[in-house]
Amino acid sequence: QQQVKQSPQSLIVQKGGISIINCAYENTAFDYFPWYQQFPGKGPALLIAIRPDVSEKKEGRFTISFNKSAKQFSLHIMDSQPGDSATYFCAASSRSGYSTLTFGKGTMLLVSP
Amino acid sequence: NAGVTQTPKFQVLKTGQSMTLQCAQDMNHEYMSWYRQDPGMGLRLIHYSVGAGITDQGEVPNGYNVSRSTTEDFPLRLLSAAPSQTSVYFCASRPDSTLYEQYFGPGTRLTVT
Repeated sequence: QQQVKQSPQSLIVQKGGISIINCAYENTAFDYFPWYQQFPGKGPALLIAIRPDVSEKKEGRFTISFNKSAKQFSLHIMDSQPGDSATYFCAASSRSGYSTLTFGKGTMLLVSP
Repeated sequence: NAGVTQTPKFQVLKTGQSMTLQCAQDMNHEYMSWYRQDPGMGLRLIHYSVGAGITDQGEVPNGYNVSRSTTEDFPLRLLSAAPSQTSVYFCASRPDSTLYEQYFGPGTRLTVT
């Protein structure tokens, strides 16, 4: 049972455009929703994260939008740059127990010059 | 701080061989985890530890053993390698149960022939 569904699998965006990656979750106990960025040959690194008490969080060109009732959250990359080309993972975690992170399957983003 | 370090970076094994993937962190983090990353599958949790002497299974534990004798080290053992264990393995750590950000190592690419 996949608890976090991520789409699309891959995405090509023109330089300067907006990249949008969507995730949906099933477990209503989830209370932490991070996005990780991974460059080829590297480990994932935390990009931005949100908790369900806010509907949006912005850090520079990266914004998370969160819809608690729909159990969905998305990553928006404004003014996408070739340096943003990477694989992006959404994830979710709950406070109960060890609170392991459950990851989506990833989105490979290519920003064309 | 070196952060999370993993050795080796690459490894080729024959079916049935055993080996240990090393992971160390110098941030005094209590929580450590092992993930495997396969194309189109995202990151799946193998085993995790909430402190020295305490380990538990994740989503895909079969074929792997772990132990945690010190806060710094969390090795992953493959007792009898199988081709299905060909993957990229990531170790991660985080401070404690209240801080969710995970720090990932650079990964070990394992091929089992």
